[in-house]
Amino acid sequence: DAKTTQPNSMESNEEEPVHLPCNHSTISGTDYIHWYRQLPSQGPEYVIHGLTSNVNNRMASLAIAEDRKSSTLILHRATLRDAAVYYCILRDGAGGGADGLTFGKGTHLIIQP
Amino acid sequence: DGGITQSPKYLFRKEGQNVTLSCEQNLNHDAMYWYRQDPGQGLRLIYYSQIVNDFQKGDIAEGYSVSREKKESFPLTVTSAQKNPTAFYLCASSTLTGFYGYTFGSGTRLTVV
Repeated sequence: DAKTTQPNSMESNEEEPVHLPCNHSTISGTDYIHWYRQLPSQGPEYVIHGLTSNVNNRMASLAIAEDRKSSTLILHRATLRDAAVYYCILRDGAGGGADGLTFGKGTHLIIQP
Repeated sequence: DGGITQSPKYLFRKEGQNVTLSCEQNLNHDAMYWYRQDPGQGLRLIYYSQIVNDFQKGDIAEGYSVSREKKESFPLTVTSAQKNPTAFYLCASSTLTGFYGYTFGSGTRLTVV
């Protein structure tokens, strides 16, 4: 899997939008950008994924730069339950296959009440 | 509800003993995975299996063993050869394409004393 770079931690206030950045300058044309998050003492959960166009679902939005070398996960209105570690992962193909995901250290998101 | 069940949630063992962690899924997923997570770190892949009676080593397979006798089950044995077994262990499953994302269990925290 190609490498991604994320800030170690970010802090935001409750009920405000949060923009979590991810740099992936060596992304290939067939790499999809996947985001997972891990709540404290839980397993990771899938958040969203995309290739070129911006994507929205009930959890978040994914904004992908035109050159695809960076992306941003957007939580539109953060709650205390969104405090977690967020992982940005590149995978070849929409699903990426079944040989395991490669996790970096992710971004630890802190939400202040 | 479909999901992955890991048991037990907490496990204590004496040094030198083998211990088996359970992982069961009812999602009808073909692929299953075991990850290890140390404090403040990302997840590292131990073993994965894409089909019954077959499995592949991940990045840190030394000191671990697995079996896949049934599609629903993928137990992990932490052997006495594993030098630093104390960690948070996570099981996951996915379709062979991974298209709908990976589903993770809630983990087993193993402490070896």
